[in-house]
Amino acid sequence: RKEVEQDPGPFNVPEGATVAFNCTYSNSASQSFFWYRQDCRKEPKLLMSVYSSGNEDGRFTAQLNRASQYISLLIRDSKLSDSATYLCGLTGGGNKLTFGTGTQLKVEL
Amino acid sequence: EPEVTQTPSHQVTQMGQEVILRCVPISNHLYFYWYRQILGQKVEFLVSFYNNEISEKSEIFDDQFSVERPDGSNFTLKIRSTKLEDSAMYFCASSESRVTNTGELFFGEGSRLTVL
Repeated sequence: RKEVEQDPGPFNVPEGATVAFNCTYSNSASQSFFWYRQDCRKEPKLLMSVYSSGNEDGRFTAQLNRASQYISLLIRDSKLSDSATYLCGLTGGGNKLTFGTGTQLKVEL
Repeated sequence: EPEVTQTPSHQVTQMGQEVILRCVPISNHLYFYWYRQILGQKVEFLVSFYNNEISEKSEIFDDQFSVERPDGSNFTLKIRSTKLEDSAMYFCASSESRVTNTGELFFGEGSRLTVL
């Protein structure tokens, strides 16, 4: 099983739709979890951290399921500007952030 | 807004040549990183650096790679003898604290390396 796995997509959704991505991880000792956003040919940027109790930031909701070893990202009321690749990131014991392959989202009119 | 800057934005080199990629991290950050992204692939961790030492490195970061903080501002990645498969976008990143604490790495815009 890969360290971090994501469905590469693309997810094509109409504007206003709700879309969810999952990310599974293999190391049960993984400590911290994050969602990053990467626009085409640009650098990754932190979207939000993922807390054990789940957390929300506007239209974005992140959840962590340690028992099943996955994290999720829910985007409500999708906007054209949400089109990007969403990277799952996690840390283990060291000072290293490991990314998944990313899930591509395309929001269409 | 403070940012991580990288130079050059694009470098083309011949196989076997040495390449140095330069980065200026955010000034009050203490932790520095290099990542690479081969076209169409994932963002891969290469190395993390703290207190003038490598704190962690990946399998990719072999003897052909080295990092240095030659002065108080620059952080460099050197590839001694480039191979075709080193062609990628190289991202430098920095963070104020350990990434395990906050997860927020600030990335530069990247240096695209093309090896011919």
